[in-house]
Amino acid sequence: EPEVTQTPSHQVTQMGQEVILRCVPISNHLYFYWYRQILGQKVEFLVSFYNNEISEKSEIFDDQFSVERPDGSNFTLKIRSTKLEDSAMYFCASSDMGILRANEQYFGPGTRLTVT
Amino acid sequence: AQSVSQHNHHVILSEAASLELGCNYSYGGTVNLFWYVQYPGQHLQLLLKYFSGDPLVKGIKGFEAEFIKSKFSFNLRKPSVQWSDTAEYFCAVNRWAGTASKLTFGTGTRLQVTL
Repeated sequence: EPEVTQTPSHQVTQMGQEVILRCVPISNHLYFYWYRQILGQKVEFLVSFYNNEISEKSEIFDDQFSVERPDGSNFTLKIRSTKLEDSAMYFCASSDMGILRANEQYFGPGTRLTVT
Repeated sequence: AQSVSQHNHHVILSEAASLELGCNYSYGGTVNLFWYVQYPGQHLQLLLKYFSGDPLVKGIKGFEAEFIKSKFSFNLRKPSVQWSDTAEYFCAVNRWAGTASKLTFGTGTRLQVTL
């Protein structure tokens, strides 16, 4: 069964450094998402992406964050200058087209980001 | 803005006990409803979903959920839990749309099944 993959599984970085989290969505999916889960808290939506542009973003997704689909397979989340509070598990998800299928999102295993 | 409440944060059951996890949502329009499960060390997996039609939906591994529109609820049930059901369970909602929309998650319920 096709699945969403994410790399790395764990990233440790120093405050102020840039990080890029990578995702490979399911190949025929056209909608892509990033969510995050701070330890002990709920999963929170960050951004959705369709047709090479952001379709929706949350208040969390400020100017420090950006997303890109650099080629036909990867979908990346960049945090320009990491802060301690960016430490979280970051999940990528993708979904298909179609009125109903577009709403069923498949999640990757997550990247645990630790900012020291 | 949509929101989801899961009132049970941590549930401990013995094997073969019945399970019901509560989920209430707040949103004025038409919604899609989901239950996701996260087994220890694994990623979020879809257990079941409701888009329309029969409000009683059946998912994988013997789980089911009932959508009660008047109560804004989508409770998850399983008649007899197994040790392997130990996991974290998340209720989620997104608005019905002709295109994709963000999922709003509840805080999750940690289920611990004892032998």
